[in-house]
Amino acid sequence: SQELEQSPQSLIVQEGKNLTINCTSSKTLYGLYWYKQKYGEGLIFLMMLQKGGEEKSHEKITAKLDEKKQQSSLHITASQPSHAGIYLCGADEQTGANNLFFGTGTRLTVIP
Amino acid sequence: DAGITQSPRHKVTETGTPVTLRCHQTENHRYMYWYRQDPGHGLRLIHYSYGVKDTDKGEVSDGYSVSRSKTEDFLLTLESATSSQTSVYFCAISGLGSSGNTIYFGEGSWLTVV
Repeated sequence: SQELEQSPQSLIVQEGKNLTINCTSSKTLYGLYWYKQKYGEGLIFLMMLQKGGEEKSHEKITAKLDEKKQQSSLHITASQPSHAGIYLCGADEQTGANNLFFGTGTRLTVIP
Repeated sequence: DAGITQSPRHKVTETGTPVTLRCHQTENHRYMYWYRQDPGHGLRLIHYSYGVKDTDKGEVSDGYSVSRSKTEDFLLTLESATSSQTSVYFCAISGLGSSGNTIYFGEGSWLTVV
């Protein structure tokens, strides 16, 4: 079965710093999703990437999918305390039902 | 926010008792899912539904059953709860089955089995 590896597992940054979270698969990714989760809450959809080389941005968050469609990165520019939380990448299992399997997440702490 | 409501949000139950979690959506989406989230394992798919009365198993389906008698409701039942089923349960919905369709998650249901 396919697995997603996220790195780093946890990250502590000073407010205003840039950071990158990676999501790597051993197999081709079809539909790569990024979610953010705050402790005790549900998952908030951030972005979805499909095509090799695709890049999407929302406010200060940019996600990219590499050309080989085996790695995605999430980049946050000028981090703020509101960016703190757990970032999860999920990929389509290709069952035709949009089932996702997930990485174990990256816990981001932003120090004011 | 996607119109997904999970109930109950928090529940403590005893080992061996049946438990039903409900997911209700107002989006008229075809696909509904139940995931569980555990430390060290991330999110894992329990069951999913691709239409009324159409369901299938996910990665960790043992000990769980589901039912979908209406488009808007997807029920997850633990027939006889065990401590290993203590977890956070998330419902999700999707409009289409093809890759590229956004999948929205509910707020989660915290279940403790004592």
